[in-house]
Amino acid sequence: NAGVTQTPKFQVLKTGQSMTLQCAQDMNHEYMSWYRQDPGMGLRLIHYSVGAGITDQGEVPNGYNVSRSTTEDFPLRLLSAAPSQTSVYFCASRLDTSSYNEQFFGPGTRLTVL
Amino acid sequence: AQKVTQAQTEISVVEKEDVTLDCVYETRDTTYYLFWYKQPPSGELVFLIRRNSFDEQNEISGRYSWNFQKSTSSFNFTITASQVVDSAVYFCANNAGNMLTFGGGTRLMVKP
Repeated sequence: NAGVTQTPKFQVLKTGQSMTLQCAQDMNHEYMSWYRQDPGMGLRLIHYSVGAGITDQGEVPNGYNVSRSTTEDFPLRLLSAAPSQTSVYFCASRLDTSSYNEQFFGPGTRLTVL
Repeated sequence: AQKVTQAQTEISVVEKEDVTLDCVYETRDTTYYLFWYKQPPSGELVFLIRRNSFDEQNEISGRYSWNFQKSTSSFNFTITASQVVDSAVYFCANNAGNMLTFGGGTRLMVKP
């Protein structure tokens, strides 16, 4: 199993540009999520999905869109990038919606918005 | 709403010292799960341990031990005889429902 994979690893955008961060998992996990990591603030939940076709907002959803058309993929879209979105983004998955299960994290995408 | 506080932002110790990382959480849920994750300098997040709200037994795994006290809403992590490879950022997190809430993290530096 590759686990959770993310592409790209690094990205530099200009203000106003759009892009999609890709996330895929091969563990047949129902639950997937996106976090951003900023210095001193830990990881904050952006959006999550409990299954194909079902998404919901987390703590910091503004400026981001998600969709989940398949169990495996959960892309994160930035429609109009802003410098405040400069961060490290982690995708994660877990087996199901049970709070008991730990999340498996991807390697992260470091995004810089100029 | 959940909240997790890791008051120690950075700790520096010399190899072989014992070190305790503090974690205090706030929740209104009666059922919840607490986690510790490690983020080494390479950047990935590694799951260390989970504890549910009904199990206050302490746990030991090699040099690592965890102390969960519901009365003080704390879930502290102790590394005995620290090693340079323990240098990392450590995150405490609380999972209730579909939301995993992280603390701000504690950066541990172990010097040789």
